[in-house]
Amino acid sequence: QKEVEQDPGPLSVPEGAIVSLNCTYSNSAFQYFMWYRQYSRKGPELLMYTYSSGNKEDGRFTAQVDKSSKYISLFIRDSQPSDSATYLCAMIKAAGNKLTFGGGTRVLVKP
Amino acid sequence: GAVVSQHPSRVICKSGTSVKIECRSLDFQATTMFWYRQFPKQSLMLMATSNEGSKATYEQGVEKDKFLINHASLTLSTLTVTSAHPEDSSFYICSAPNRDRGVHEQYFGPGTRLTVT
Repeated sequence: QKEVEQDPGPLSVPEGAIVSLNCTYSNSAFQYFMWYRQYSRKGPELLMYTYSSGNKEDGRFTAQVDKSSKYISLFIRDSQPSDSATYLCAMIKAAGNKLTFGGGTRVLVKP
Repeated sequence: GAVVSQHPSRVICKSGTSVKIECRSLDFQATTMFWYRQFPKQSLMLMATSNEGSKATYEQGVEKDKFLINHASLTLSTLTVTSAHPEDSSFYICSAPNRDRGVHEQYFGPGTRLTVT
């Protein structure tokens, strides 16, 4: 079983809809939770990070972490075609520095 | 924001030759850099951790003699794929955490697409 599970999608939504992404994990040692966006043939781009449980908002993006359920989410409001990409969740354990990635979810926002 | 560059962005080489890929942090110092490879429609697979001034740490199953890593300074790490074969064809990406901001802020390079013919 993978340490971090993420639905591969694709997730197709109409423009303007809310995109809801999530990951589950099995190791309670994870302390930092990140979301990356990756366009085709490009390197991942850091969108947001959250430390421990809670919510964090940045513009159209909201990240949520529920450590008791080992579940993290990313919401994208007012989605745009330019949001079409693969979204990767990633986590780091306390006192560690290696990222553990989910498999990525491909998102398609249709105009 | 922090910028990480990679060079070259794309390389085609013949089987048996060696290829060097550079990863640079342009506006911050990185004592550690990470090298990943990514196959189409798959997630990133960590290959090794590059440490400035010391030997790299390789993940299980990664041949250290085939993938040579050198972290020459606080802003440069290189990955050399030695005696490349077609199965080494992949997308290679580096990342670097900004040591002043913490391990959670890791920035990725744009990637290098290696094709071995």
